[in-house]
Amino acid sequence: DTGVSQDPRHKITKRGQNVTFRCDPISEHNRLYWYRQTLGQGPEFLTYFQNEAQLEKSRLLSDRFSAERPKGSFSTLEIQRTEQGDSAMYLCASSQGTTPTDTQYFGPGTRLTVL
Amino acid sequence: AQSVTQLDSHVSVSEGTPVLLRCNYSSSYSPSLFWYVQHPNKGLQLLLKYTSAATLVKGINGFEAEFKKSETSFHLTKPSAHMSDAAEYFCVVTLGGYSTLTFGKGTMLLVSP
Repeated sequence: DTGVSQDPRHKITKRGQNVTFRCDPISEHNRLYWYRQTLGQGPEFLTYFQNEAQLEKSRLLSDRFSAERPKGSFSTLEIQRTEQGDSAMYLCASSQGTTPTDTQYFGPGTRLTVL
Repeated sequence: AQSVTQLDSHVSVSEGTPVLLRCNYSSSYSPSLFWYVQHPNKGLQLLLKYTSAATLVKGINGFEAEFKKSETSFHLTKPSAHMSDAAEYFCVVTLGGYSTLTFGKGTMLLVSP
C-alpha cells in the first residue's frame, strides 16, 4: 500500500504563472478530494470527484482553478495566473466508499509559494 | 450550516500526564465527527470518528473522544501523553448526505519531557 502521493511536494512560482499539481490516490479508491490549507488554519474543501465525475466545487474554487480526473485514477489541479493569495498547502485525499463518513486518506501535500 | 470550534490553539502537557483537546460543533442535523492528527511533513491521519453509534469512541494510539449532544462537544482525551503525540490535531464535522469535511483551525499539542 503506497498511500496517497502528491507531486511536486514544493513549488515556487512567480505571480502570473500557471502551475499544475498531481495527486495519485490509493488504488481503487472511488473518491478523490482536494483541499487547501493556509498557515494557522485547518484544511478547506475545494472540490471532489467520484471516479471521473467532478461532483462538487467550493466557492473557494475561483475560475482560475481547474481540476480533472480524466480516467478516474490520478487527478490534476491547475491554477492559472497565480496570485500571492494562492500560496498555501494543497492537499489531496481519497476514500474507497461513497458516503461522508468513509475515511479519507490524505497525501503529504504540495506547498505552493507565489512570489 | 456546520462548523467546529477548537477552543485552544495550543495545549502544553508533560509526558505521562493526561491530554484534553476541546472541540465544540455547530450543526443543524445529526453530525458525524472526526479527529485527525497532522505530524510535521506527514499527511493528515484519522484518529477516530463518531457516526451516531456509541457516544464514546476509541481511536488509535490510546486516544478517545466522547460525543455529548447536550453540550455540542466532542473533546479528545488520552490518559497519558507520549512525546510522539506532539502534533497538530483537527476536529472535523460533516453532515449526513454531504461529502465535504469542515475542519477546525487546529490545536497544537506540545509534549515536554
